[in-house]
Amino acid sequence: QVQLQESGPGLVKPSDTLSLTCAVSGHSISSNNWWGWIRQPPGKGLEWIGYIYYSGSTYYNPSLKSRVTMSVDTSKNQFSLRLSSVTAVDTAVYYCARTHCSITSCYIDYWGQGTLVTVSS
Amino acid sequence: QSALTQPPSVSGSPGQSVTISCTGTSSDVGSYNRVSWYQQPPGTAPKLMIYEVSSRPSGVPDRFSGSKSGNTASLTISGLQAEDEADYYCSSYTSSSTLVFGGGTQLTVL
Repeated sequence: QVQLQESGPGLVKPSDTLSLTCAVSGHSISSNNWWGWIRQPPGKGLEWIGYIYYSGSTYYNPSLKSRVTMSVDTSKNQFSLRLSSVTAVDTAVYYCARTHCSITSCYIDYWGQGTLVTVSS
Repeated sequence: QSALTQPPSVSGSPGQSVTISCTGTSSDVGSYNRVSWYQQPPGTAPKLMIYEVSSRPSGVPDRFSGSKSGNTASLTISGLQAEDEADYYCSSYTSSSTLVFGGGTQLTVL
């Protein structure tokens, strides 16, 4: 059974960098899947942030691209998110997830439980 | 990329059918069958309900079905049950190799 677990600070100061890690268990991160991040501000909808392949290839949401960096550590079977210059609007529950993409499909089949990150001084 | 357009809310009585629409553009929904739907009860992570427009993962009841016409995808829930009350989100692959979500639809079972 594939499991994903987010970890990182729950409180980040404005203008700082938000850093989260997602530990994957029950499945190799070096498989034919994309590993991504999605966020959800309190009371609002889902926003796709981006995903990364184990080779290091990335795709980001154009609206966040200038502030987002994703990385993967195959030796630890985990991947990470960094979001720079955060403001209050970046306060959200952040989910890590596995995305399965093929010629005919692209869908998120496994999600972490989510972690709330609050941006505040 | 702009979010896909969903109605903010829909409702139905137990046993009835409801349909949630998801409208995109020729750069996402209209060009690919890579449309998926997710169910999110309050306080929980989303759950995959439909992928590839109309395919159901193992364990998802066949009361849930999906379809697509042009730039609009739809999720239909038949035989509505109280446990179906949740937020529903559509998602599509885009021509930029990214994903985009809809704004979400709150389903109320009356």
